[in-house]
Amino acid sequence: DADVTQTPRNRITKTGKRIMLECSQTKGHDRMYWYRQDPGLGLQLIYYSFDVKDINKGEISDGYSVSRQAQAKFSLSLESAIPNQTALYFCATSDTRAGGSTDTQYFGPGTRLTVL
Amino acid sequence: AQSVSQHNHHVILSEAASLELGCNYSYGGTVNLFWYVQYPGQHLQLLLKYFSGDPLVKGIKGFEAEFIKSKFSFNLRKPSVQWSDTAEYFCAVNARATDSWGKLQFGAGTQVVVTP
Repeated sequence: DADVTQTPRNRITKTGKRIMLECSQTKGHDRMYWYRQDPGLGLQLIYYSFDVKDINKGEISDGYSVSRQAQAKFSLSLESAIPNQTALYFCATSDTRAGGSTDTQYFGPGTRLTVL
Repeated sequence: AQSVSQHNHHVILSEAASLELGCNYSYGGTVNLFWYVQYPGQHLQLLLKYFSGDPLVKGIKGFEAEFIKSKFSFNLRKPSVQWSDTAEYFCAVNARATDSWGKLQFGAGTQVVVTP
């Protein structure tokens, strides 16, 4: 969905480096999510945010941190990357305010991260 | 905690064959149910969703799914597949409990390959 963008689309880094993945949305949605996708495991929720400055841990938050400084932006950081964080990372948004289509999540194009 | 099971990890079928992908979830309360599709190299796109009402829901590209509450299932079907249906398919569930509201639980995915 072109309304949800992620940068970078691909990144190769080394163990121990700090990495930030950015997500921006023009949909005006209040909720944003970060997932990682590994083959055979589906998508696992890392962090989610229901509004600006609201941060909640998902299933696999260890080793990750996030920031939601504005409604349209939700960034994911790996403070010290390790090889088992090599994965495809997706950002998603949803709109749960009155009149919105509750619960349906819209995904960005993904960031492929490789940690050597 | 809720969980989502997709019975087949890999399905290979010929064009014009019928497709049915199984999805079961473990949660006794009210749920919202989704099927997402991920075409090769692309992000997840919503195929269809069930919130309430008619348990047989129709989605895009000729797909439909049936919610059977007594079986905790939400199976995806398509009567006649095309080569362009080659993709990975994910079932997802949101349990309408307060602490889970807005959080999707994904199945591991089913890779579908349609041969000409």
